[in-house]
Formats: sequence, C-alpha cells, structure tokens
Amino acid sequence: DAMVIQNPRYQVTQFGKPVTLSCSQTLNHNVMYWYQQKSSQAPKLLFHYYDKDFNNEADTPDNFQSRRPNTSFCFLDIRSPGLGDAAMYLCATSRESYEQYFGPGTRLTVT
Amino acid sequence: DAKTTQPPSMDCAEGRAANLPCNHSTISGNEYVYWYRQIHSQGPQYIIHGLKNNETNEMASLIITEDRKSSTLILPHATLRDTAVYYCIVRAHWGGGTSYGKLTFGQGTILTVHP
Repeated sequence: DAMVIQNPRYQVTQFGKPVTLSCSQTLNHNVMYWYQQKSSQAPKLLFHYYDKDFNNEADTPDNFQSRRPNTSFCFLDIRSPGLGDAAMYLCATSRESYEQYFGPGTRLTVT
Repeated sequence: DAKTTQPPSMDCAEGRAANLPCNHSTISGNEYVYWYRQIHSQGPQYIIHGLKNNETNEMASLIITEDRKSSTLILPHATLRDTAVYYCIVRAHWGGGTSYGKLTFGQGTILTVHP
C-alpha cells in the first residue's frame, strides 16, 4: 500500500562525504518535491520537478542537487554535507496542483 | 502566498470535537485554504482543503468564514492518534509558471488529545 517510499529511513554520513537519498512513488504523479525539516521547525521546500523540469528554490544551497531519471524515482544528492545539513528530508508528490502526498522521510545525521 | 496565524498549542479531550482556528486575513481570491498534519516523526498528511464553501471528508470538516479571512478545522471526535502538529496553509492553484503548488509551512498548532 505504500505510495511514497523513502530509503533509507535513517542515514548517517560523515562531514563532507557525499550522500544520496532516494524517493519512489507508485502514484504516477507528475510533480515530485523535496523538503528539508530541521529539528522543531516546519518543512521547507528545497526544489521540485514538474515532469522533467527542475525548479530550484532561490535560497536552496548549491550543495543540494536532485535527479529524476523517470516518473517514479527522484534522488536528493548532498555533495558535501555539513553539520547544519542534519535534518529530516521529506519527499512528496502531487498530480498537478492538487494535494501532496508525503513519504515517511529520511533522517540524516552528519558526524 | 498569504500568511497564516495559528495558536501554538491546543488541548482536547478524547471523544470531543477539536476546533483548530486559522487566520488568513490577506488571502487572495484565487487562494485555497489547505490543512495538513504531521504526527511525530512522520511525513505530513493531507487533511482537507477549500476555497470558500465549507468542506467535509472522512477525516475532518473545514469551515471558512464568509469574508474568507479565517477558517476552522474540525475533528468531530478526536482520538489519541490525532495528536499532531496541524498546519494551515494558504496557496493558489497554479496554471503554469514556476510556482508549482508550493506549500509554505508555518509553525502550526500542536494539538494534544488527552484520555
């Protein structure tokens, strides 16, 4: 029944070591989003894909990148994680402008 | 997108109705009111949305004032599993361009349901 799947649920990486988080969906939605949620804060949009078109938020650091090889999968790459990048990373999908469905999130720890 | 104001926290007894208010006095004519909730350590969950008419689904009811400057989310019979952060978000549906359904989360209301 899982609709938006995120792997892994918990990820530990070392300072400066590249890390990739993955998201897949079974909803066939054309829009996919990545949000960052730091401890005790609200989720904040990093970027989204409308089909294959990538849209970056103005204040998203260059350290964060994304790939969407097909409709079902989307990846978040952090090139050189810093301690400040420790957070929950949430993937969401939607069909056009309708409601977004979120995955369970990946909690990233940077040591 | 218009900004929203919510109380930081609310309590509710199990089995009673939970009424969560939201102010959005600068809402534009084409902006919808959306409600999401986030249970601890989970991803946000869509609850309901509306433009100007009251809406009801299997989870909740949404009451929007006639001037659309405020709304109330109603959970008719709250359970312990409804304990969560509830987010009221105002956003426009996009017809193209770069603002593809962006959700801007505020701090939300922490609802605690007590036995």
